[in-house]
Amino acid sequence: AQRVTQPEKLLSVFKGAPVELKCNYSYSGSPELFWYVQYSRQRLQLLLRHISRESIKGFTADLNKGETSFHLKKPFAQEEDSAMYYCALLYGGATNKLIFGTGTLLAVQP
Amino acid sequence: DAMVIQNPRYQVTQFGKPVTLSCSQTLNHNVMYWYQQKSSQAPKLLFHYYDKDFNNEADTPDNFQSRRPNTSFCFLDIRSPGLGDAAMYLCATSRTGRGGGQPQHFGDGTRLSIL
Repeated sequence: AQRVTQPEKLLSVFKGAPVELKCNYSYSGSPELFWYVQYSRQRLQLLLRHISRESIKGFTADLNKGETSFHLKKPFAQEEDSAMYYCALLYGGATNKLIFGTGTLLAVQP
Repeated sequence: DAMVIQNPRYQVTQFGKPVTLSCSQTLNHNVMYWYQQKSSQAPKLLFHYYDKDFNNEADTPDNFQSRRPNTSFCFLDIRSPGLGDAAMYLCATSRTGRGGGQPQHFGDGTRLSIL
């Protein structure tokens, strides 16, 4: 069965420090992965998707099929990056169903 | 702005009293989803509509039902809410497409409290 694991519930870093939010997945098919972010009092929103291979707000994520990982990285954290981050795996074919990890709360200290 | 709108933001109901949560979208997406999110947990998919076709997740309790009268609206009905149903309920939409999965767009959620 498909599964997404985010091992850290909380990650606290200082402003300007590098950030890596870990995500591992288990899926028998060809994986499609996303990172969603939820800022305080805001809706869950898409941050980036692996097939786009893009950088959003300085964040990047590379799919590593050998390690079944999709870690989210940013070289220099900003205070406004403080939020809850969810890794999600798409399954269910055309219906685009998602299974979410339990989330990591990123706290960037000044 | 095109978006997903959930009403109300906060809903309080009594134990056992039926309640309906509402979701509407202006994105014209053909798939709509309902998730339950309890405190400090991941959103959990309850069911989704692919156009008019209803698809229930295997572990969704029978107490939860849904209706989609048209493309724009989708409702979540809880027939007899129990204390364990207190949670944030998220509605999301997506568009089926070629060339890879399409992202889901979420509403602000409805926080349901049970007295």
